[in-house]
Amino acid sequence: QVQLVQSGSELKKPGASVKVSCKASGYTFTSKAMNWVRQAPGQGLEWMGWINTNTGNPTYVQGFAGRFVFSLDTSVSTAYLQISSLEAEDTAVYYCARDVALAVFDYWGQGTLVTVSS
Amino acid sequence: QSALTQPASVSGSPGQSITISCTGTGSDVGGYNYVSWYQQHPGKAPKLMIYDVTNRPSGVSNRFSGSKSGNTASLTISGLQAEDEADYFCSSYTSRRSTAFGTGTKVTVL
Repeated sequence: QVQLVQSGSELKKPGASVKVSCKASGYTFTSKAMNWVRQAPGQGLEWMGWINTNTGNPTYVQGFAGRFVFSLDTSVSTAYLQISSLEAEDTAVYYCARDVALAVFDYWGQGTLVTVSS
Repeated sequence: QSALTQPASVSGSPGQSITISCTGTGSDVGGYNYVSWYQQHPGKAPKLMIYDVTNRPSGVSNRFSGSKSGNTASLTISGLQAEDEADYFCSSYTSRRSTAFGTGTKVTVL
């Protein structure tokens, strides 16, 4: 069965970096795009962008370019989200989600809580 | 990018039907039949309930149905059950080749 398993919660200080992983199993990793979605505490879902798992080409929503980087390691079927120069406003749960069709996310990781606090 | 507009909350008694609206523009909801709905229980990941406006993934109860008219999509839950109490988010493909989510609706079963 399809599974997306994300890395555990992180507590970071402002200015630090964090790398969240999303390991896929149960399907051919390079056959479906991977998306990243942010959910701030008590807030809604915010689409951050996606990465083409065939080419490794990332696409970022305006506002997530620069400090946010999507990457892959296809040898271990894993997608990564790296956030640099962390700010308190980056505190959120970050989800990876498989893209089965246009804007259709059929499987989601369990989420990774990133807390930024001094 | 702008979020799609949903009511903050909707409530109903067990067995009743409720409808959640999702209003966008001609550049998203109105322009494409690529509207999805997600259910999210507290502390859990979202779950796909409806895709391409009206389609249900395998395993999703037929009590959930979707529709669209103009720039507004709707999710109807019939025969409301206690387990349906959750947050619901719509999403749509957009003319910017992006995905926009709705503001979210909290469904309460009275």
